[in-house]
Amino acid sequence: DQQVKQNSPSLSVQEGRISILNCDYTNSMFDYFLWYKKYPAEGPTFLISISSIKDKNEDGRFTVFLNKSAKHLSLHIVPSQPGDSAVYFCAASALGNQGGKLIFGQGTELSVKP
Amino acid sequence: DTEVTQTPKHLVMGMTNKKSLKCEQHMGHRAMYWYKQKAKKPPELMFVYSYEKLSINESVPSRFSPECPNSSLLNLHLHALQPEDSALYLCASRLTDRVPNYGYTFGSGTRLTVV
Repeated sequence: DQQVKQNSPSLSVQEGRISILNCDYTNSMFDYFLWYKKYPAEGPTFLISISSIKDKNEDGRFTVFLNKSAKHLSLHIVPSQPGDSAVYFCAASALGNQGGKLIFGQGTELSVKP
Repeated sequence: DTEVTQTPKHLVMGMTNKKSLKCEQHMGHRAMYWYKQKAKKPPELMFVYSYEKLSINESVPSRFSPECPNSSLLNLHLHALQPEDSALYLCASRLTDRVPNYGYTFGSGTRLTVV
């Protein structure tokens, strides 16, 4: 049972345009969400997070939107740059979840073309 | 120091070998994690250590044996692995596992190949 889903395995965007990566979840107990970026043969790098009490969090070119009623979050990258090309993982955690276990989506591979 | 350091970066081992993966952090984090990631798949949790005590074992086979000798160090001892255990093994740490909104810091991983 996949509790966190990223239904687009890949996304291609032109440099300078907006990249929108989507993530859906099924567990209503999730209350904290994170986005990670991963290059091949490296560990994931934290990008941005959002608590369930918010609907938007912004950090530079990265903005995460959370729609709790739809159990959906998205990561917006504006403007997209070639260096943003990587695999992006959405992850979720639940308060009281023993150990702070992160549940990851399958990832979306973003390719930003010059 | 804001890093999680994993060694070795690459490891090739036979099915009868014993080897260990090492993870170190000096950020004062008291929660440390082992994740396993197969190609084209998301990371999957294996073990959680909280304040140097094993708090979660996600039904991992006994051929994987974690150890937390102190608050800065986490080991994963490997014995009699199978080729299907070949994967990227990621270590991560957090300030604490008792509040959810502290982000993880991941290491770069150890790429393990079992032959």
